[in-house]
Amino acid sequence: AQSVTQLDSQVPVFEEAPVELRCNYSSSVSVYLFWYVQYPNQGLQLLLKYLSGSTLVESINGFEAEFNKSQTSFHLRKPSVHISDTAEYFCAVSEGYTGGFKTIFGAGTRLFVKA
Amino acid sequence: GAGVSQSPRYKVAKRGQDVALRCDPISGHVSLFWYQQALGQGPEFLTYFQNEAQLDKSGLPSDRFFAERPEGSVSTLKIQRTQQEDSAVYLCASSPGGPPWAFFGQGTRLTVV
Repeated sequence: AQSVTQLDSQVPVFEEAPVELRCNYSSSVSVYLFWYVQYPNQGLQLLLKYLSGSTLVESINGFEAEFNKSQTSFHLRKPSVHISDTAEYFCAVSEGYTGGFKTIFGAGTRLFVKA
Repeated sequence: GAGVSQSPRYKVAKRGQDVALRCDPISGHVSLFWYQQALGQGPEFLTYFQNEAQLDKSGLPSDRFFAERPEGSVSTLKIQRTQQEDSAVYLCASSPGGPPWAFFGQGTRLTVV
C-alpha cells in the first residue's frame, strides 16, 4: 500500500534563507509524485509534479523537487524563501491507474517564513 | 465556473443530524474525488467517481457516508446521523481524467456539536 511521510510538521525559517521540506514515500509500483500548497484560507493548489523523465522538477515560483527512486524521496527545496511562501505544504503520491487514481497525502509541513 | 466550487463553506450540525455537502467540479472534468481533512492532518481519500460511476469508495469510513454523482457533473456527499468524529474539512477535487493530479475546491468545514 502507498504511504507518504513528511518528516517535519513545522519549519520556521528566516526570509531569504534556503529551505528543504522532506518527503519519503512507499509503494510497490511506479508512482507519480506531487507537492501541493495550501495558503491560509485557500484550497490546495498543485505546486509541482513528477510524472516521468527528468528527476528534477521545478515550479514557477522558484521551488524545486528531486525524485530519488533509491531513497524513495521527493524533497522540496527553495534557495531563498519569501514571506509570501508561508503556507502548508503537502507531499502526495499516486499510483495512477494501478492504484485507482487515488492520491495519498502526507500529514503536511507548515512553512513559516519570518522577517 | 473557473474552479471547483463547494457549498456550503461552513456547516454546523447537531449530533445525529443528516448533512449534504455539494461539489461543482470544473466543467467537463471526468474524474471527481472526495477527501476528508482532519485538523492538522493531510487529506484522506474517501471516494472516486469517473463520470457518474463510483469506481472506488474504499475510503468511506462507515455506512453513514454516501456519495453520488447522478449525471456525471455535480456530486453530493451525504453524512447520516453525524457524530463528533465527523468534524473535518471535506474537500472535493476534479480532473480531466487523463493526468493523475487534480484541482481542489476550498472545502466545506463541518463541525458537529
